[in-house]
Amino acid sequence: GQNIDQPTEMTATEGAIVQINCTYQTSGFNGLFWYQQHAGEAPTFLSYNVLDGLEEKGRFSSFLSRSKGYSYLLLKELQMKDSASYLCAYQAAGNKLTFGGGTRVLVKP
Amino acid sequence: EPEVTQTPSHQVTQMGQEVILRCVPISNHLYFYWYRQILGQKVEFLVSFYNNEISEKSEIFDDQFSVERPDGSNFTLKIRSTKLEDSAMYFCASSEPRITDTQYFGPGTRLTVL
Repeated sequence: GQNIDQPTEMTATEGAIVQINCTYQTSGFNGLFWYQQHAGEAPTFLSYNVLDGLEEKGRFSSFLSRSKGYSYLLLKELQMKDSASYLCAYQAAGNKLTFGGGTRVLVKP
Repeated sequence: EPEVTQTPSHQVTQMGQEVILRCVPISNHLYFYWYRQILGQKVEFLVSFYNNEISEKSEIFDDQFSVERPDGSNFTLKIRSTKLEDSAMYFCASSEPRITDTQYFGPGTRLTVL
């Protein structure tokens, strides 16, 4: 069954902030990754969290709570080019990534 | 900046034919992966490969699939007898050998089975 969940779609205005939530259930957790994927292209790495807390990388930040099985990706100062799908993925035992269905973000002027 | 490359970018084949998808991972990476993404669906893990052998595979990776590292730079995925449902984007990825190392994805091969 579905063990990683994120919203299907979000809309935001250029210059605003958007928060994409992700919840997961797994044992043997090694890390939580966020990727950006433009239509027809490959996933590109944005951020990852191993320990609880906030990781900041420029306009993008990611938060993790391992006890709650919860992460979010924060996109600040949205630009039109940020319109894409954002993929949450966890890494459990072994190295494979298990992906959520992705959140399609539409940035409007 | 080093990147993963894949060829071809698009492969069209007839059902029942064999296809080989090729990847060149980032040169100092030691873990290699194949994922696939059926149109409109999520990215799914197929197989991981380390030290010249499969380290993990999913239920999707049945006897019709095989992987090989034929030389020091290429990593291939072979599908022996393609089915219509194999139509998807196939992504190769690679990472350094630590457990939580980031996986970097290639641009993908779009496989269309007719």
